[in-house]
Amino acid sequence: AQKITQTQPGMFVQEKEAVTLDCTYDTSDPSYGLFWYKQPSSGEMIFLIYQGSYDQQNATEGRYSLNFQKARKSANLVISASQLGDSAMYFCAMREGQVRGAQKLVFGQGTRLTINP
Amino acid sequence: NAGVTQTPKFRVLKTGQSMTLLCAQDMNHEYMYWYRQDPGMGLRLIHYSVGEGTTAKGEVPDGYNVSRLKKQNFLLGLESAAPSQTSVYFCASSYADVYYEQYFGPGTRLTVT
Repeated sequence: AQKITQTQPGMFVQEKEAVTLDCTYDTSDPSYGLFWYKQPSSGEMIFLIYQGSYDQQNATEGRYSLNFQKARKSANLVISASQLGDSAMYFCAMREGQVRGAQKLVFGQGTRLTINP
Repeated sequence: NAGVTQTPKFRVLKTGQSMTLLCAQDMNHEYMYWYRQDPGMGLRLIHYSVGEGTTAKGEVPDGYNVSRLKKQNFLLGLESAAPSQTSVYFCASSYADVYYEQYFGPGTRLTVT
């Protein structure tokens, strides 16, 4: 079974609109972390935001926020006021197990986001 | 401060040839990782290291070997390349006590014909 599922292969959004990228995960470990990375066409992986399984509040980083619904096992990325530069592939990833130790990330297949002017 | 660098950026191999990919980081990170990314897919962990002289298998280790003789370097070797190893390879590193971020290198695009 897939541990990380991103059901939206592609999304098209108008500039300045908010966008939600879906991510569901599967784990039986009570301790885990959820990450979102951005991969522009140039290929590098850019860290966006992190949510720990024990964090009480949803993570936020500037225009990025993570809608963490633990009971539903979902960790959706919300980008407010989208910009043309947000066009990229977005990957959700999970680290299972203790906070300390190697971060063996498992990635979803990604969502390609295109922002239209 | 170069961050995480990878050498080479591109490489074409014939089936059966061998090569080594070099990853270097200048952030004094304890942990280092090798991932591969196939077209249209997310990254998958090949091998990782929690310190100098230590390595461990990830999700897809077959056909690869690694070594970490120095803290700042992590080498990925292909002893006998196969077309199935055509991929983009990413190296990453992280601090032992910072659990929320990995720093990624720019990637190496490898084609095996």
